[in-house]
Amino acid sequence: EPEVTQTPSHQVTQMGQEVILRCVPISNHLYFYWYRQILGQKVEFLVSFYNNEISEKSEIFDDQFSVERPDGSNFTLKIRSTKLEDSAMYFCASSGDREAYGYTFGSGTRLTVV
Amino acid sequence: ILNVEQSPQSLHVQEGDSTNFTCSFPSSNFYALHWYRWETAKSPEALFVMTLNGDEKKKGRISATLNTKEGYSYLYIKGSQPEDSATYLCAWGDSGYSTLTFGKGTMLLVSP
Repeated sequence: EPEVTQTPSHQVTQMGQEVILRCVPISNHLYFYWYRQILGQKVEFLVSFYNNEISEKSEIFDDQFSVERPDGSNFTLKIRSTKLEDSAMYFCASSGDREAYGYTFGSGTRLTVV
Repeated sequence: ILNVEQSPQSLHVQEGDSTNFTCSFPSSNFYALHWYRWETAKSPEALFVMTLNGDEKKKGRISATLNTKEGYSYLYIKGSQPEDSATYLCAWGDSGYSTLTFGKGTMLLVSP
């Protein structure tokens, strides 16, 4: 069964450093998303991406965040200057027919900012 | 503030018990309601996508109902098994449908 793949599974970084979280969505999906879950809190929406551009972003997704789909297969989330409060599990998801099948999530990247 | 609430927060049942949980969501601008099953150390797995008021969907021993007018959905598990132990997330999509707003989940533990 097709999967959404995320790398790395766990990343530790120092505050102020840049991180890039990588995702390979399912190849024939059209919609791509990043969500995150801070420990003990709800899964929160960050950004959605369709047709090679951001379709919606949340208040969390400020100027420190960016997304790219550089080569038609990878979908990356960059955090330019990490803060302690960016520590969370970051999930990538993709969907094709959202009304029929929902989203397919990756297994997440646990980001720890120290 | 548009909020998605799930109850109970956690539930512990014995193998063979049937159980149900609730998801409440804004009834205005409703487009879709998703249910996901999330096992520890794995990714959330889509169970159901529901869009029509009165909809009822079933997958094996798991079923879900939807009331968009009053803003709630129920998830039922018949004859719970230990392998049903997971967190069950619901997520609401509004008429724009670019995002999903998630509830906090119901953590189910089924003891043998």
